[in-house]
Amino acid sequence: DTAVSQTPKYLVTQMGNDKSIKCEQNLGHDTMYWYKQDSKKFLKIMFSYNNKELIINETVPNRFSPKSPDKAHLNLHINSLELGDSAVYFCASSQARPGGPDTQYFGPGTRLTVL
Amino acid sequence: QKEVEQNSGPLSVPEGAIASLNCTYSDRGSQSFFWYRQYSGKSPELIMFIYSNGDKEDGRFTAQLNKASQYVSLLIRDSQPSDSATYLCAVVGFQKLVFGTGTRLLVSP
Repeated sequence: DTAVSQTPKYLVTQMGNDKSIKCEQNLGHDTMYWYKQDSKKFLKIMFSYNNKELIINETVPNRFSPKSPDKAHLNLHINSLELGDSAVYFCASSQARPGGPDTQYFGPGTRLTVL
Repeated sequence: QKEVEQNSGPLSVPEGAIASLNCTYSDRGSQSFFWYRQYSGKSPELIMFIYSNGDKEDGRFTAQLNKASQYVSLLIRDSQPSDSATYLCAVVGFQKLVFGTGTRLLVSP
């Protein structure tokens, strides 16, 4: 009964390769996110989708392309991987509630190592 | 100026003591504030949120918010070694959650 799941959990690859990370949530939430957590543990938003529509696109290289086939899935494709892309990537989801905060729930993370 | 600032720590407290974690934010219009806990190698998990000035209690945790001072804190009473983790303060900005860099808490037996 995992709420937010990601695959793979670990990803080790060479510079220049293209890779994808998948995320699925079974919470029925409308909004999904991708975050990057660097070696200093700083967690920064990259993208946000609401009902398959891109609503947040932070200053991220265009080598990163999110895709949301439906509101339960948000995938992240990365082209031409660079050393600096090594980080933990977290997917999250949330559901806006009238008069209440938009609480986000995180997936287990994907540790990407670029060699 | 960073949008959300936290002391990186580590904050060391003995078991049974009160741990006090602090966070300041720059956007005066922020309305919702969250505390997440992150164990090493794990994902952030929500501890509590607060959006009204004052205190909000949940078990051993108390969140305190002072919008005039742009300050939010988390108190952990009767700290346990299992509370040792990094605590992330997060503030709702424009359509997004902005995280601080986190405070590492170490509770010694």
